[in-house]
Amino acid sequence: KQEVTQIPAALSVPEGENLVLNCSFTDSAIYNLQWFRQDPGKGLTSLLLIQSSQREQTSGRLNASLDKSSGRSTLYIAASQPGDSATYLCAVKAAEGSQGNLIFGKGTKLSVKP
Amino acid sequence: DGGITQSPKYLFRKEGQNVTLSCEQNLNHDAMYWYRQDPGQGLRLIYYSQIVNDFQKGDIAEGYSVSREKKESFPLTVTSAQKNPTAFYLCASQLAVGGNTIYFGEGSWLTVV
Repeated sequence: KQEVTQIPAALSVPEGENLVLNCSFTDSAIYNLQWFRQDPGKGLTSLLLIQSSQREQTSGRLNASLDKSSGRSTLYIAASQPGDSATYLCAVKAAEGSQGNLIFGKGTKLSVKP
Repeated sequence: DGGITQSPKYLFRKEGQNVTLSCEQNLNHDAMYWYRQDPGQGLRLIYYSQIVNDFQKGDIAEGYSVSREKKESFPLTVTSAQKNPTAFYLCASQLAVGGNTIYFGEGSWLTVV
């Protein structure tokens, strides 16, 4: 059974710092991996989607990498800003079966202090 | 604007009542999903639908029911059989079941009183 773990559960950094969020998954047979942002009491916003054949994706100050063989992904945020404060979740989609089901981690709650 | 609309934002249910959460999308997406999120937890799939008049159970379907009579609508009913319904419910849609980006609504909070 696929399990997704995110470490740390919470992170507090000063503004301007570069930071890395980690996501690990137990079954390397994935179709893709997505990173999401969730603000308190809100829905999820997709940040980056990495297909299983890709190694990384970039969008602005965000860079996500994928190492399928080791079951790991990282989300790198450059020059963090207070507006980046949110919970970040990663989710994997299995390569076979499970149809549309994404398996989510519990998230990392990020706080960027001015 | 294109997007997913969930209503109501907040809902209170008495013991023994059924309640229905609305989800409407104007993105022309075939696939729609319902997830449940408990505090400090990831999302868990309740039901999903790949196309009109079709839907499949997810990991935690017991005590819930859905319908998909129109492409743009995927309402979720929380029945009295759901023993612990207090949670944050998220509706999502995707162009098709597969590798595309998934889009979420703003969520609905359900509390049992």
